[in-house]
Amino acid sequence: SQTIHQWPATLVQPVGSPLSLECTVEGTSNPNLYWYRQAAGRGLQLLFYSVGIGQISSEVPQNLSASRPQDRQFILSSKKLLLSDSGFYLCAWSVPGGRAHAYEQYFGPGTRLTVT
Amino acid sequence: KQEVTQIPAALSVPEGENLVLNCSFTDSAIYNLQWFRQDPGKGLTSLLLIQSSQREQTSGRLNASLDKSSGRSTLYIAASQPGDSATYLCATSGGNDMRFGAGTRLTVKP
Repeated sequence: SQTIHQWPATLVQPVGSPLSLECTVEGTSNPNLYWYRQAAGRGLQLLFYSVGIGQISSEVPQNLSASRPQDRQFILSSKKLLLSDSGFYLCAWSVPGGRAHAYEQYFGPGTRLTVT
Repeated sequence: KQEVTQIPAALSVPEGENLVLNCSFTDSAIYNLQWFRQDPGKGLTSLLLIQSSQREQTSGRLNASLDKSSGRSTLYIAASQPGDSATYLCATSGGNDMRFGAGTRLTVKP
């Protein structure tokens, strides 16, 4: 069966510090991968998605970047965090396919980021 | 640009009641609509996915319907239980995007 992992589970970082959140998927090959952010009192916002190694699509211009160095690894990064980057970050995967959002998505447990 | 709305924002019912959660969307050109459950501080759990060509999906006490022409979906929960207490989110997939509603926070009282 497939499982998705995210770490760390919680993170408190000062403004201006770098960020690296990791997401890995087990039990499937070449999944589509997604990063979302859920800010307090707001809905989920799609940040990035990837349909293959090295292929990253950005949905919202922001202070963040994503990379996919391996087939089942998706990393969310920032060089300098802003207060507005605080939120709950969720990684998700779906079966591979040409249409990135056409398939059922399965979510990881999330990372709670607080920027102070 | 797709907009997804969920009404009500919060709902409290006594145990055993049947209930309906509503989801509306503005653009009917979708691949599918997915319902999720989110417990506090946790990730999302997929409940049901309805393809654009389907009218409904069922899983246990849950039944989700989709009416693309009117831009509506409902999630019906039968015989609600305290363990059903959570936030329920709907999301549409279309083009290169997935859009979520803000969710309905459900409380089922014993």
